[in-house]
Amino acid sequence: GAGVSQSPSNKVTEKGKDVELRCDPISGHTALYWYRQSLGQGLEFLIYFQGNSAPDKSGLPSDRFSAERTGGSVSTLTIQRTQQEDSAVYLCASSSTREQPQHFGDGTRLSIL
Amino acid sequence: AQSVSQHNHHVILSEAASLELGCNYSYGGTVNLFWYVQYPGQHLQLLLKYFSGDPLVKGIKGFEAEFIKSKFSFNLRKPSVQWSDTAEYFCAVNAGGSNYQLIWGAGTKLIIKP
Repeated sequence: GAGVSQSPSNKVTEKGKDVELRCDPISGHTALYWYRQSLGQGLEFLIYFQGNSAPDKSGLPSDRFSAERTGGSVSTLTIQRTQQEDSAVYLCASSSTREQPQHFGDGTRLSIL
Repeated sequence: AQSVSQHNHHVILSEAASLELGCNYSYGGTVNLFWYVQYPGQHLQLLLKYFSGDPLVKGIKGFEAEFIKSKFSFNLRKPSVQWSDTAEYFCAVNAGGSNYQLIWGAGTKLIIKP
């Protein structure tokens, strides 16, 4: 597709379960970002990938969060042993270079029961 | 730490009213500035950006923003709003150069009454 694609669009799971969120960036975009948006808050940076460089994980809130990007394209954000405070919309964005504006996906709305 | 402040969380206007949404940031160096918009049911999209040059930036759909360095501000304006401008608006800043991380404001929900 032409835009950033995220799946699933909605995920409801029980506390303690692991979840995987997927992001398919715009073809050719080397930079990929994950953000979290909680109700009434701005976007919170989680992790950044640039090409084949080591990712910037400085925004990950705990060691239960991890992400990978395979082949410089698709990325997966994994949350282990989910907690209720993990409930949020998880947004993925990509850009052609890190200086260029970011293009966002529709997000995954994660609800932890 | 850098921060971005959007003064109004909710704004309600009638059609044809003028709009100004405030955005202030805390960083003393070179910055890149952005306004993003999220229409109901849609993803975030870029409204306008400032990297350098003319501090008055024109964006899509008749929006503009003015970078005032001395005030650390990048307010968004539109002279006459329409019902279709109902959306949430986010200001974002990064510390220019090689710094790619965007710092986001909390957003302003704009509702235009028809």
